[in-house]
Amino acid sequence: NAGVTQTPKFRILKIGQSMTLQCAQDMNHNYMYWYRQDPGMGLKLIYYSVGAGITDKGEVPNGYNVSRSTTEDFPLRLELAAPSQTSVYFCASTINRVSAGDTQYFGPGTRLTVL
Amino acid sequence: AQSVTQLDSQVPVFEEAPVELRCNYSSSVSVYLFWYVQYPNQGLQLLLKYLSGSTLVESINGFEAEFNKSQTSFHLRKPSVHISDTAEYFCAVTETGANNLFFGTGTRLTVIP
Repeated sequence: NAGVTQTPKFRILKIGQSMTLQCAQDMNHNYMYWYRQDPGMGLKLIYYSVGAGITDKGEVPNGYNVSRSTTEDFPLRLELAAPSQTSVYFCASTINRVSAGDTQYFGPGTRLTVL
Repeated sequence: AQSVTQLDSQVPVFEEAPVELRCNYSSSVSVYLFWYVQYPNQGLQLLLKYLSGSTLVESINGFEAEFNKSQTSFHLRKPSVHISDTAEYFCAVTETGANNLFFGTGTRLTVIP
């Protein structure tokens, strides 16, 4: 099991560029999540998905889009990158709801800088 | 909405000394509580969690946390820390029926030789 994988590890974007952060899990988990981590701010939920074809907004969805065409993959799209999107992005997954007590498994993160 | 407060952003402690990392949450309903650890340049890993039953939960590497409903707290403790415990620790909460976790701002534990 590779667990949760993310690519790329690092990326520098210019203002206005777009990119897709890739996330994949091989644990057959239903739920997947995207968080951003800013210094001193903890993790904020961007989007999550409860299964293929179903996504929903989290706390900070503006400027991002997601899709979930398969159980395994949950890419995060940034359109028109802005300096405020400079952050570390983490993808995570759980078998079912975290409120069922399931553990979230995290990827290693993508460090994004927008200049 | 849920919120989690970790009052201490940084905690330096000497090796083999005890440590307590504080966590308070806001909720009037049933909650589930988690502590995650993040080692440098890595993703988060589950350290321990409280779902129900005994209010004292333990991890495999000597940490423990106690759920205190009256004080809405879930403080993390270790009686004797090691250099390898240097990391950032996040407290998180969710509630029945919720789809996601709410994280605190984290506490950076630095163990000094």
